[in-house]
Amino acid sequence: DTAVSQTPKYLVTQMGNDKSIKCEQNLGHDTMYWYKQDSKKFLKIMFSYNNKELIINETVPNRFSPKSPDKAHLNLHINSLELGDSAVYFCASSQDGHPGDTQYFGPGTRLTVL
Amino acid sequence: EDQVTQSPEALRLQEGESSSLNCSYTVSGLRGLFWYRQDPGKGPEFLFTLYSAGEEKEKERLKATLTKKESFLHITAPKPEDSATYLCAVSGYGGATNKLIFGTGTLLAVQP
Repeated sequence: DTAVSQTPKYLVTQMGNDKSIKCEQNLGHDTMYWYKQDSKKFLKIMFSYNNKELIINETVPNRFSPKSPDKAHLNLHINSLELGDSAVYFCASSQDGHPGDTQYFGPGTRLTVL
Repeated sequence: EDQVTQSPEALRLQEGESSSLNCSYTVSGLRGLFWYRQDPGKGPEFLFTLYSAGEEKEKERLKATLTKKESFLHITAPKPEDSATYLCAVSGYGGATNKLIFGTGTLLAVQP
């Protein structure tokens, strides 16, 4: 029944480790996004994929690599984790990638880097 | 550069005390203005999309309005369950993509 789901919900890891977050949507949407919400609750876009093709790539360290195996899934892999990567990461999806299209968000993954 | 500013940062209301939240925006050609509600530990929940100045949308005790420079989220006779952070975001002509620019939100607390 869940529209946009993410796993895991919580992720606690040591500096230098590599970790992945998974996202799935069952809305039949063509476009998926990753956002980062910092400690001040500010949401900022990181990446967007439309039908498995990367269309938004904001200024994000290349330690972050999104992968979309199909249009219902968008994963985020993070290499060599740093303290500053601690945040809540949200996945979202929209019908298409056109400006003005409503985005629907997942429940978030809280990443804590120790 | 596209920008969104929300005010106030925090608002405390008594149950039944109506008020408004403000979202001022600067965007190169507005394609959509969005309101979301975010509860602690959860993802943003979609409320409204407004596309052009003069447009209004309502849902239960919430009403969103839009001008060329700002949007208001009016809350009529709020209840404690309306307590949440309300986020405003815009999508503009700046690129061919649907990048949302968010404000920092208004934390609303409604006391019984």
